[in-house]
Amino acid sequence: AQSVAQPEDQVNVAEGNPLTVKCTYSVSGNPYLFWYVQYPNRGLQFLLKYITGDNLVKGSYGFEAEFNKSQTSFHLKKPSALVSDSALYFCAVRDNTNAGKSTFGDGTTLTVKP
Amino acid sequence: DTGVSQNPRHKITKRGQNVTFRCDPISEHNRLYWYRQTLGQGPEFLTYFQNEAQLEKSRLLSDRFSAERPKGSFSTLEIQRTEQGDSAMYLCASSSLAVGELFFGEGSRLTVL
Repeated sequence: AQSVAQPEDQVNVAEGNPLTVKCTYSVSGNPYLFWYVQYPNRGLQFLLKYITGDNLVKGSYGFEAEFNKSQTSFHLKKPSALVSDSALYFCAVRDNTNAGKSTFGDGTTLTVKP
Repeated sequence: DTGVSQNPRHKITKRGQNVTFRCDPISEHNRLYWYRQTLGQGPEFLTYFQNEAQLEKSRLLSDRFSAERPKGSFSTLEIQRTEQGDSAMYLCASSSLAVGELFFGEGSRLTVL
């Protein structure tokens, strides 16, 4: 079985400050990890993924995430937050032995205040 | 890039009625997924297709739910004898690779009265 935990329902940061949205996962095999963002009344959009290789992956809109195998984490980060980053963020995991479903966390609402 | 298209965007129905949702994936994508999302929850996997073959179906999915992808292009999700607990956003996504990211449509919101 595979699962994802996003321990924070909400993250609040000031514009210009760094942000971190946390994600931990559990899979049987090696993980494929993803971050998606959902703006109000819009579909989920892909931000970035880790499949293999460098533990630090870079994605859209200046976001990056670090894969940590020992801590089974894949935290989303951005050095300087923008008000327009305010949205709902989902972490997802897929087991590399099961090329089918991705399992999603329950999401973290990021609010960036001016 | 036309993206993933879902219809209808919103469906209101009475308990006991049948409803059908349609998903048109990105044309070159061979994998198509259905998820369900309720308020405060992440997307919950329902089923997925590779071309026209339905390869996996959630054990949580009751027999009232059925999905098809007859020609490996568009897909339909039918819910028979709807219940109030079926009220949710039904999401469709497609991808081109086994390890690829999912491209989501904007969803079909079902309200069962």
